[in-house]
This record gives sequence, structure tokens and C-alpha cells, in this order.
Amino acid sequence: DVKVTQSSRYLVKRTGEKVFLECVQDMDHENMFWYRQDPGLGLRLIYFSYDVKMKEKGDIPEGYSVSREKKERFSLILESASTNQTSMYLCASSPGQGPEKLFFGSGTQLSVL
Amino acid sequence: GDSVTQMEGPVTLSEEAFLTINCTYTATGYPSLFWYVQYPGEGLQLLLKATKADDKGSNKGFEATYRKETTSFHLEKGSVQVSDSAVYFCALSDYGVKLIFGQGTTLQVKP
Repeated sequence: DVKVTQSSRYLVKRTGEKVFLECVQDMDHENMFWYRQDPGLGLRLIYFSYDVKMKEKGDIPEGYSVSREKKERFSLILESASTNQTSMYLCASSPGQGPEKLFFGSGTQLSVL
Repeated sequence: GDSVTQMEGPVTLSEEAFLTINCTYTATGYPSLFWYVQYPGEGLQLLLKATKADDKGSNKGFEATYRKETTSFHLEKGSVQVSDSAVYFCALSDYGVKLIFGQGTTLQVKP
């Protein structure tokens, strides 16, 4: 069965901390994505990557960075966490040239205090 | 830019009721359209899709028809079950690899 695994289900951090959210997929997919999910706002794309070491900004990249050193792993980095980054973070992957089907992880609920 | 608008929720129905969740989109090109579903505590999963005008996507009793003239992709099901309780997201892809999602609509089905 295909899998997208996010390292933590719940995370609590302090304002100003550097936070790493990890995502691993076992499907050899080219494309990987980070979204954040907020009530009333749906899913908003933070960053995506279509190949190793390649990245593209999504709609809300401010305050975030990403790293993709290996094909199966895509990390989201909050350089200095702030309370407005409290959210559910969803990682996804997809094969090939188009988003025929995104496979999602079960999410990381991040609380920044 | 491209965008997706869904009806506000929550939608509360009794079991076996008819379901419609409205979705309209704005896009410059000819997008592919998708419905994703998120069950409690889980990530999103693809429910159905349509890639061109007048296509009908269907899965698990759910249907949606790509209407270019009204820029809509409404989700319907004839008889909902308690197990259909979830959050439903409409999404589009114009060109490239990324999806643009709507706000999500929560469906609660009561026995």
C-alpha cells in the first residue's frame, strides 16, 4: 500500500524556535508538496518540489523554507516559529507531470506557544 | 489567479438524504477538477475527478459533472450514510503539478 509518512502527529513548540517537519514517501514520486490547513481557509500551498534539490514557492511561502536532498524525503522548515504558524500541516506526493492523484500524509498539528 | 469556492458548512443531513455540495471555480485555461475527502484524523484522499467539459466523475455513489458553461463541479450523492461524514474539498489544476483547493465543506450525517 502506498504511503506518505509525516514524522509527528502533534508538535508543540515555543515562539522563535526552529522547527523541522519531515515527510517521507515510498512511491518513488517526483513531486512533493507542503500545504497548511486552516478552518475556513481550506488548504493553502506553501512549497512544492518536482525533483531532488528543486523547489518552487507556493501561495504562502513567507516564514518557511524547504529541503529535498533525497527523492523520498521533503522537509518543511520554520526558521523562527510564530504563533500565526499554528496550524495543521499536510504533506503530499504525486507522480509524473500532472496532479492526476495526490497522496496525502495524515498531517502534523503544530501548536506554537 | 485561479480559485475554487465551495458552499459554507457544516452540512447536516439525516441518513439516506440527498446530498449536494456546491463548487464553482475561476480559471484562465481548461482545468482538471477534483473532489477530495478527509475522514476524521486522516489525510485527504481522492474521491473523483473530471478532466474536460461534460465529463462525469463518480466513485462510492458520489458523482460530479464538469460544467464549463457555469464553471461548476457540484458533488452529489443520492443517499448518504453515517460513514460519509467527513470534510469534502473541491480542487482544480490548470497547468503544472499543483492543486488549488477550496475551503472545504464539513458533512455530518445523523442516523
